Amino acid sequence: GAVVSQHPSWVICKSGTSVKIECRSLDFQATTMFWYRQFPKQSLMLMATSNEGSKATYEQGVEKDKFLINHASLTLSTLTVTSAHPEDSSFYICSARYKGGGEQYFGPGTRLTVT
Amino acid sequence: GENVEQHPSTLSVQEGDSAVIKCTYSDSASNYFPWYKQELGKRPQLIIDIRSNVGEKKDQRIAVTLNKTAKHFSLHITETQPEDSAVYFCAANTGTASKLTFGTGTRLQVTL
Repeated sequence: GAVVSQHPSWVICKSGTSVKIECRSLDFQATTMFWYRQFPKQSLMLMATSNEGSKATYEQGVEKDKFLINHASLTLSTLTVTSAHPEDSSFYICSARYKGGGEQYFGPGTRLTVT
Repeated sequence: GENVEQHPSTLSVQEGDSAVIKCTYSDSASNYFPWYKQELGKRPQLIIDIRSNVGEKKDQRIAVTLNKTAKHFSLHITETQPEDSAVYFCAANTGTASKLTFGTGTRLQVTL
């Protein structure tokens, strides 16, 4: 149980375009979802925390107008990278947690390359 | 906010030896400390976690110890095997959302 999927697994886009990444909890209801970014050989950095039906809480230094997060249902959260630039190229990983749970269940990640 | 430091950044051990990775945290309110193993290009895998109401937890070859007073916790892997080679991250929770702050990672290499 506690499976989280992400789509797409990898994407290449041109500079200036927008990309949407989906994160789904397949067999549980995720009241909270988290979005992380991981650059090569670095740690996971939390970008934002989202709760179903409410606005996401962004970490300091993360532009909320650039990284749009929508947690529309208890099983789906989306991250849209708007006006992507090469420096946004990274590994984006989501995680999900059910209500009252401590453990976060991670998705497989999405590798974004902006050319 | 929470700050988690992790040492060493790289660790090379011979197969069969033990490996120890140490982390310190800053937020005294943290009460959940997971450890993750991440292989290249893959998602982090939870290998063991500990809550602040216990001092030690063991699962086969893996153990974690927690010292709340000193605010540090450690991962111990015994009888290491080549398949243990990966990057290991510690983390600590913080805030009302219980979000995780990750350490900087330790690249473990187990040599034959």
